[in-house]
Amino acid sequence: DIQMTQSPSSLSASVGDRVTITCRASQTISSYLNWYQQKPGKAPVLLIYAASVLQNGVPSRFSGSGSGTDFTLTISSLQLEDFATYYCQQSYSTPRTFGQGTTVEIK
Amino acid sequence: EVQLVQSGAEVKKPGESLKISCKGSGYSFSSYWIAWVRQMPGKGLEWMGIIYPSDSDTRYSPSFQGQVTISADKSITTAYLQWSSLKASDTAIYYCARRVSDGGSGLRFDPWGQGTLVTVSS
Repeated sequence: DIQMTQSPSSLSASVGDRVTITCRASQTISSYLNWYQQKPGKAPVLLIYAASVLQNGVPSRFSGSGSGTDFTLTISSLQLEDFATYYCQQSYSTPRTFGQGTTVEIK
Repeated sequence: EVQLVQSGAEVKKPGESLKISCKGSGYSFSSYWIAWVRQMPGKGLEWMGIIYPSDSDTRYSPSFQGQVTISADKSITTAYLQWSSLKASDTAIYYCARRVSDGGSGLRFDPWGQGTLVTVSS
């Protein structure tokens, strides 16, 4: 299985901050990388796929980059509704493993 | 609107069997793989397996192979996840999600069902 490692596991930030979350794969996965947002008590929601393609309806303050083994999710200006847990997922091979999650908390 | 609607919360005892469901609507159910994902209390997401409803081709994560059974009935646009003998460690929220692929690296899971909470306790 491909292991996905996110950092940090949690972070505290203020509204308006620029936030960056990283995800590293244990082997090269090209651009087969998705990002999801999960709010407490809710199902995950797709934000970005193919490492950098914004899902329809997702605000443009979210962006993704990277290829190979190292990837980044950036929120350019954090909004109140962005406080949540974010997961990366590789879609290169089965099983389609997830990172352990990064929780973005209010400072 | 594409939707996946899951069955309601379950409370079971260790050793009991269980089958939970995920009903798709708003799209051609047979043409898209459906995955199951586990989230244990306070923990992250774990990919369990996936089924193609058209022919019931199924793949399992090695971690879940032999522990659960994934099935589908395309005539009623429903996928299932079942256990023959539950354990306390099966307590979790289980999500289904539709696999979408437009070629290349654009393989992703969207939308997700609302989740089914399974509680196993004596």
